[in-house]
Amino acid sequence: GAGVSQSPSNKVTEKGKDVELRCDPISGHTALYWYRQRLGQGLEFLIYFQGNSAPDKSGLPSDRFSAERTGESVSTLTIQRTQQEDSAVYLCASSLQYLAGAWDTQYFGPGTRLTVL
Amino acid sequence: QKEVEQDPGPLSVPEGAIVSLNCTYSNSAFQYFMWYRQYSRKGPELLMYTYSSGNKEDGRFTAQVDKSSKYISLFIRDSQPSDSATYLCAMTGTGNQFYFGTGTSLTVIP
Repeated sequence: GAGVSQSPSNKVTEKGKDVELRCDPISGHTALYWYRQRLGQGLEFLIYFQGNSAPDKSGLPSDRFSAERTGESVSTLTIQRTQQEDSAVYLCASSLQYLAGAWDTQYFGPGTRLTVL
Repeated sequence: QKEVEQDPGPLSVPEGAIVSLNCTYSNSAFQYFMWYRQYSRKGPELLMYTYSSGNKEDGRFTAQVDKSSKYISLFIRDSQPSDSATYLCAMTGTGNQFYFGTGTSLTVIP
């Protein structure tokens, strides 16, 4: 079946512009995660959605970052007034997690490579 | 102090060698320990996971967790050029937040 998809695959923008990144999780997966991966660094947790529960936004680095998810479908990550330090690969993952607190395998998308000039 | 520490390498070995990859961590609440493989310009894919302490073997791969030392390892036997990738360790306590190492870049030379 189809895996996690993300769009666009690459995005180049100018400093100060807003960008919107999209994630299509695997159908039926209740949990969805956004991560940021800077060059030479590990994955940095940004936000977590689980079903209809309030999202865990504790990893968002500033109020310029926001994310939405409607039900158990598509999620969008928005970065307002982009800065050069926002340049990174943004990865989305989904998992079949019926219960909060119960771990299940995360399946990652290919990522969106964001470059802020 | 970072939650998870991982030597970034790079690590270069000849084909057929045994590879040892390691991570240390500081949070004793972590219960699930994972190893991901990430090829260039791709998302990470789960290789193995272990719950609590102990060993787990899957083909040429063995994962070890020592919770008393807060130390985890991944061993690759009979390494192949196709194993060339970045290997990331990850761990979680509750399944809500996952903490990743920086990744170790591995090259297996034919």
